[in-house]
Amino acid sequence: QKEVEQNSGPLSVPEGAIASLNCTYSDRGSQSFFWYRQYSGKSPELIMSIYSNGDKEDGRFTAQLNKASQYVSLLIRDSQPSDSATYLCAVSRSNDYKLSFGAGTTVTVRA
Amino acid sequence: EAGVTQFPSHSVIEKGQTVTLRCDPISGHDNLYWYRRVMGKEIKFLLHFVKESKQDESGMPNNRFLAERTGGTYSTLKVQPAELEDSGVYFCASSQSSGANVLTFGAGSRLTVL
Repeated sequence: QKEVEQNSGPLSVPEGAIASLNCTYSDRGSQSFFWYRQYSGKSPELIMSIYSNGDKEDGRFTAQLNKASQYVSLLIRDSQPSDSATYLCAVSRSNDYKLSFGAGTTVTVRA
Repeated sequence: EAGVTQFPSHSVIEKGQTVTLRCDPISGHDNLYWYRRVMGKEIKFLLHFVKESKQDESGMPNNRFLAERTGGTYSTLKVQPAELEDSGVYFCASSQSSGANVLTFGAGSRLTVL
């Protein structure tokens, strides 16, 4: 079983729509959860971090965490072509450096 | 502020050869990390430096890999001898503290072993 699994892509959404990305993890000891965005050939960029159950909103992005279900998601509202990228889910046992990544979901926003 | 710089951006070598990847962290960042993504797999942790000291090298796959950070500034990752399964993208990241929420990644060095 993979430590972190993401919904398989690619995910194609029209401009202005909501993109929904899902991630499940196997380690119940995980405490910290992150979403990174990676444009092709570029560095992974942290866009959201969440540590407590519930929702966390930052601009057009909302992260949702449910530790009981071992599930974390990312919603991108009002998707823009500039949101087209690969989104990586990452978890760690504590707020530390040893991140476990999912394989990533590639999102394409159609103009 | 300059970001994390890695080079070469792409290296193509023959099986059995040696390759050295370099990472320049953000100035003042004591913590430096190496991760890699081999073909078709997830990004995996390799090791962690605090200044020049290796804090955690539990992710290093085998003794063909050697990481150094002399003087606590830039770091090198040497693969010797390279094998086909070493092909992938090697990412470096740095942070001031060891908290993951302040990890800044480089663009990665792509290694192709033929």
